[in-house]
Formats: sequence, structure tokens, C-alpha cells
Amino acid sequence: QEQLVESGGGVVQPGRSLRLSCVASGFSFSNYAMHWVRQAPGKGLEWVAVISYDGSNKNYGDSVKGRFTISRDNSRNTLYLEMNSLRTEETALYFCARARGSTWYEWPVYWGQGTLVTVSS
Amino acid sequence: QSLLTQPPSVSGTPGQRVSISCSGSKSNIGGNIVNWYQQLPGRAPKLLIYSTNQRPSGVPDRFSGSKSATSASLAIRGLQSEDEADYHCATWDDSLKGWVFGGGTTLTVL
Repeated sequence: QEQLVESGGGVVQPGRSLRLSCVASGFSFSNYAMHWVRQAPGKGLEWVAVISYDGSNKNYGDSVKGRFTISRDNSRNTLYLEMNSLRTEETALYFCARARGSTWYEWPVYWGQGTLVTVSS
Repeated sequence: QSLLTQPPSVSGTPGQRVSISCSGSKSNIGGNIVNWYQQLPGRAPKLLIYSTNQRPSGVPDRFSGSKSATSASLAIRGLQSEDEADYHCATWDDSLKGWVFGGGTTLTVL
């Protein structure tokens, strides 16, 4: 059964960094592109980043470009999101999601349960 | 402020038909497919409609999607209490070169 488990969330001060992880199981992780999507409390979804199946292509939402880095380790079936210079407005539940296919322009299909990031002093 | 505009809330009674709109522009809905996600309270989003009007396996045919010009719609017929959830539209934006989501619509079954 397909499963995505995010971790690494917590409370962090503004301007600091945090790295999120997402461990995949139940499907061939190395064959699929992967997304990060976040949801602020009581708000809608905001797409954050996507990475192609082999990590060769990455794309980011405008609000995180230059500060966040998406990466993956296919040998560990793990997706990462390195977040730098965090802002209070980035307090949100961060979801990882498997894409429909291997390329970075494929949409999110299956989602994990999310990990909560709270940016507060 | 999302590039895709959805009504914050809609409501209906059991058995009724409801529709949720998603308004965009030429750079997103106007030239690309639209997906819809259902998010039950406290749960992760689930893909409900893809490629504008296709249902993944297991999604009842009570749910349907459509698109006209720069707007898309999700229709739910034969409304049931378990349909109470948030619904999010999503599409690719050619200008941003990224995915965009609507602000989400909360469906209440009265």
C-alpha cells in the first residue's frame, strides 16, 4: 500500500532553517516526480516545489525561490525540503505528494499526512 | 491572494446538486487541465478529478468536472453527508511555470 510519511517539522525562530523529510513506501519512488505543498492554518493549499524522478529538474513557487531547496535520495526512498530564512507567514502543514508521472510538470496525486512547521519567536 | 478564485463556501441538502466554481485566466485554466482535490476534515487532500473531467478509480460518478474558457467547475449530484469537506482546484500556470491552487471551498451538507 502506497505510503508517504513526512517528518522534521517543529517550532523554529524566524530567519532560521529547517529540513523536512518524506519517506515513501509501497511504490517505485525512483520512477515518480515528487511535490511539496503547504497549507497555512485555516487556509488553502500552496504549491511549494517539485522535483523530477531523477532529481535533474526542479521547480519552485515564487514565494520560496532562492530560500528553499528540494532534493531526493532514491536509494533511501526519501524526499527532502531544506528551508532557509523562514518567515512567520510560512507557518503551515507541509505535505509531500507523489506526482502522476516522472516529470516535474505532472500534478500531485497521492499525499502524505503532513508535518507541521511553526515559525515563531 | 491566489490566482484561482473559488467561493469560500457552498452548501446543500442531501440529494441536491451543488457546483463549485474556479475562476482563473488565460495563463492557467485557459490553456491547461484542471484538477480537483477533496480534503475531509483533518485529513490530507485526495485527488478527486484530474485532467479537467476524469475520475480516478474509486471516485463515484456523482462527482464531475468541466471547464469553459478560463473557468472550471466541480459538480456534485446526489449530495451526501460524507461529501462535507474542503474542495480545492489546481492547474498549471504558464507565466509562473508552476502549479497554482484555488483558495479552497468548504462544502456544508445541511
